[in-house]
Amino acid sequence: QKEVEQDPGPLSVPEGAIVSLNCTYSNSAFQYFMWYRQYSRKGPELLMYTYSSGNKEDGRFTAQVDKSSKYISLFIRDSQPSDSATYLCAMSPLSADGLTFGKGTHLIIQP
Amino acid sequence: DAGVIQSPRHEVTEMGQEVTLRCKPISGHNSLFWYRQTMMRGLELLIYFNNNVPIDDSGMPEDRFSAKMPNASFSTLKIQPSEPRDSAVYFCASTGQAGNTIYFGEGSWLTVV
Repeated sequence: QKEVEQDPGPLSVPEGAIVSLNCTYSNSAFQYFMWYRQYSRKGPELLMYTYSSGNKEDGRFTAQVDKSSKYISLFIRDSQPSDSATYLCAMSPLSADGLTFGKGTHLIIQP
Repeated sequence: DAGVIQSPRHEVTEMGQEVTLRCKPISGHNSLFWYRQTMMRGLELLIYFNNNVPIDDSGMPEDRFSAKMPNASFSTLKIQPSEPRDSAVYFCASTGQAGNTIYFGEGSWLTVV
């Protein structure tokens, strides 16, 4: 079993829909959870950062962490065509450690 | 801020040749990471440095790969000799003391033929 599992997609939804992206993980030592967005031929950029369990909201984006289930989610409200990208979950035991990434979910928002 | 700067952006080389990838982290950042991204394996951590010292190189695939960080503003990842299976995008990333946000460069796209 890989440390971090993420459905590669593609996930195609119409503009304005709510998008749900998810990752599961096996390492109970993970405490820091992040979501990165990667556009084609670009480097990943940080979207959301969460420590331990709970929810965090930033504009149209909400990140949820359920450590008991080893499950994290990213919700995108009012999705836009510009949200079309690959979304990578990432996590680490300590804040300064290197991150373990999921393979990414390719998201397509249809105009 | 210029962000993490990587060079070259694209490299095509023949099998057996030496490849050197370069990275300039964000000024003031004290941790630097090298990642490799492929379709099959996703983003994999190769090595990371803290205050110019290698902390974890367990992700370096084999002895053909080496990385150095001679000072706080420069790091190299070297592959010698290169093989076709090394073809991938190599990302450099850096973060500051708090370690909350890891910033990535634009990547070096390597093709070994």
